[in-house]
Amino acid sequence: QQPVQSPQAVILREGEDAVINCSSSKALYSVHWYRQKHGEAPVFLMILLKGGEQKGHEKISASFNEKKQQSSLYLTASQLSYSGTYFCGTEGGYNKLIFGAGTRLAVHP
Amino acid sequence: EAGVAQSPRYKIIEKRQSVAFWCNPISGHATLYWYQQILGQGPKLLIQFQNNGVVDDSQLPKDRFSAERLKGVDSTLKIQPAKLEDSAVYLCASSQALEQFFGPGTRLTVL
Repeated sequence: QQPVQSPQAVILREGEDAVINCSSSKALYSVHWYRQKHGEAPVFLMILLKGGEQKGHEKISASFNEKKQQSSLYLTASQLSYSGTYFCGTEGGYNKLIFGAGTRLAVHP
Repeated sequence: EAGVAQSPRYKIIEKRQSVAFWCNPISGHATLYWYQQILGQGPKLLIQFQNNGVVDDSQLPKDRFSAERLKGVDSTLKIQPAKLEDSAVYLCASSQALEQFFGPGTRLTVL
């Protein structure tokens, strides 16, 4: 079952914050977050392994609520380089990922 | 450390023709994945190998798609015969633990 991401698209000005949500109908072992720029391969951002655990990467952090089967990605003080499509990948075992449809993020000066 | 290599980068074929893609994973990575990414969508897993054995191929259209990973290193994905709906980017990824590293992909256009 494909996870549901929201919103589908976000437009920000530099310095603004954004939250991207990922929700699954199935129990999860982990949630992976990737960013893909146009015409390029997805690039790993972080993995959330435990319920409620937050991970951080520079000004990008994420949380994982295991009980609700939800994860959120937090982008703080956005930079132009944050533009791209963000995908969550949910894992139900064996490191097999099911990716959401993606959230398009555009950051403007 | 070299990344995941894929070739060709682009391929244009007519429907009913055959095509093959090649992937060389990061050295030492036991797990290799093939994904199909249709424009505007997230990657969809086609097949997952652990060394040279198949872990999951539940979403591989086996009537036309085949994949192999001989000697547990390089892998090839073949489509025979191709359909219009196979137009997509085919991504190869490899992993040693949890993080998956993606190659640049092969963009396939079926006319």
